[in-house]
Amino acid sequence: AQSVTQPDIHITVSEGASLELRCNYSYGATPYLFWYVQSPGQGLQLLLKYFSGDTLVQGIKGFEAEFKRSQSSFNLRKPSVHWSDAAEYFCAVGWRPGGFKTIFGAGTRLFVKA
Amino acid sequence: DTEVTQTPKHLVMGMTNKKSLKCEQHMGHRAMYWYKQKAKKPPELMFVYSYEKLSINESVPSRFSPECPNSSLLNLHLHALQPEDSALYLCASRQADRDGEKLFFGSGTQLSVL
Repeated sequence: AQSVTQPDIHITVSEGASLELRCNYSYGATPYLFWYVQSPGQGLQLLLKYFSGDTLVQGIKGFEAEFKRSQSSFNLRKPSVHWSDAAEYFCAVGWRPGGFKTIFGAGTRLFVKA
Repeated sequence: DTEVTQTPKHLVMGMTNKKSLKCEQHMGHRAMYWYKQKAKKPPELMFVYSYEKLSINESVPSRFSPECPNSSLLNLHLHALQPEDSALYLCASRQADRDGEKLFFGSGTQLSVL
C-alpha cells in the first residue's frame, strides 16, 4: 500500500541555519511527490512538487527538494531559515487509482529559535 | 482568482443538528476534495469529486454526505454527528496540466460537535 513517512515529529533550528526535513514514500512506481506547509488553523499551501524530470526541484519561499529513487526519499531543504518558516510541514504522495488520490505524511513541526 | 473559499470558518453544532459546509472555487478545476484534519494530525482524505461525480469515498460514515452541484461548488452535509467528528474540514481543488497535478486548499472550517 502507498504510504508516506516523516520520521521527525518536530525539529528546532536557529534562525539563519540550514534545514532538512526528511520524507520517505512507499509506492510501486514513480508517484507525484509534494511538500505542503500549514500554519495553525489554516489550510495547506503547496511549496513544491515533483512528478518527472530534474530530480532537484525548486519551490516557493526558497525551499528545494531532491527526489532520490534509490532511497525512496524526497527531502525538503532550505539553506537559511527565517522565523516566519515556523509551521507544520507535510510531505505527500499522489497517484491515480481512478481518481487522483493524495495522502499525507504525519507532518514535521518546525520551530525556529532566535 | 487562485482561491478556494470555505464557509463558514467556524461551526458549533449539537449532535442532533443538520448543517452544511460549503466550498467554492473559480479556477476551472474539475476535481474537488474533502479532507478531515484532527489536531496535530495530517489531513485524511474523505471524498473526491471528478467532473461533478463522486470518484472516491474513503469509507466515510453516512452522517457525512457530500454534494457537488456544479464544477465550482462542493458541499458537505452533516447530520447526527458525534463529538469525535470535531475537526478542521478542508476543501481542495486539483489543477492538472502539463506541469503535473497539485491541490489548492481552502482555509478550512473548524467544526465543534457538542
